[in-house]
Amino acid sequence: RKEVEQDPGPFNVPEGATVAFNCTYSNSASQSFFWYRQDCRKEPKLLMSVYSSGNEDGRFTAQLNRASQYISLLIRDSKLSDSATYLCVASTDSWGKLQFGAGTQVVVTP
Amino acid sequence: ETGVTQTPRHLVMGMTNKKSLKCEQHLGHNAMYWYKQSAKKPLELMFVYSLEERVENNSVPSRFSPECPNSSHLFLHLHTLQPEDSALYLCASSQEGGATDTQYFGPGTRLTVL
Repeated sequence: RKEVEQDPGPFNVPEGATVAFNCTYSNSASQSFFWYRQDCRKEPKLLMSVYSSGNEDGRFTAQLNRASQYISLLIRDSKLSDSATYLCVASTDSWGKLQFGAGTQVVVTP
Repeated sequence: ETGVTQTPRHLVMGMTNKKSLKCEQHLGHNAMYWYKQSAKKPLELMFVYSLEERVENNSVPSRFSPECPNSSHLFLHLHTLQPEDSALYLCASSQEGGATDTQYFGPGTRLTVL
């Protein structure tokens, strides 16, 4: 079983619409969670950390549900520049050993 | 952005060749990482270095040999690779290597093994 599972998509989203997707993690001991963004043929970049109480950064909202072991990301008012692959990440180890999901592809269309 | 640089950006090598990948971080971080990213698969952590000491070797075959001469530089020495080793190799760094640290990635080396 994969440590972190994501729907690969693609999620085709009209510009201005809202899109949301989840990822699940298998290790209940996971302590830290992140969303990274990866553009085509580029390196991953941190989008936001995910806190237990949920957090918002502009048009992006992340939620953590420890009971069901999933993390969600919601993007409001989608922009063309939001088109990317979103990587869900969980960290269990104190040494920053990150477990990455395979990513969810989002395509925002005009 | 030039926080983490990697060279070469592209590499094609035969199975009998020996080559090295180089990573340099200009962020003053103490931890560095090597990841492998194959098509449609999650990033796989290969090695973690903290203050130039290896703290994680994630069951990586011995044909991959890391070297961390100082906290700013990280190498991945390659020898007798297999075609299935073709992938994007990403280097990353973080402040202290803690679980909550943000990891900053380099642009990667796209490796093709013939």
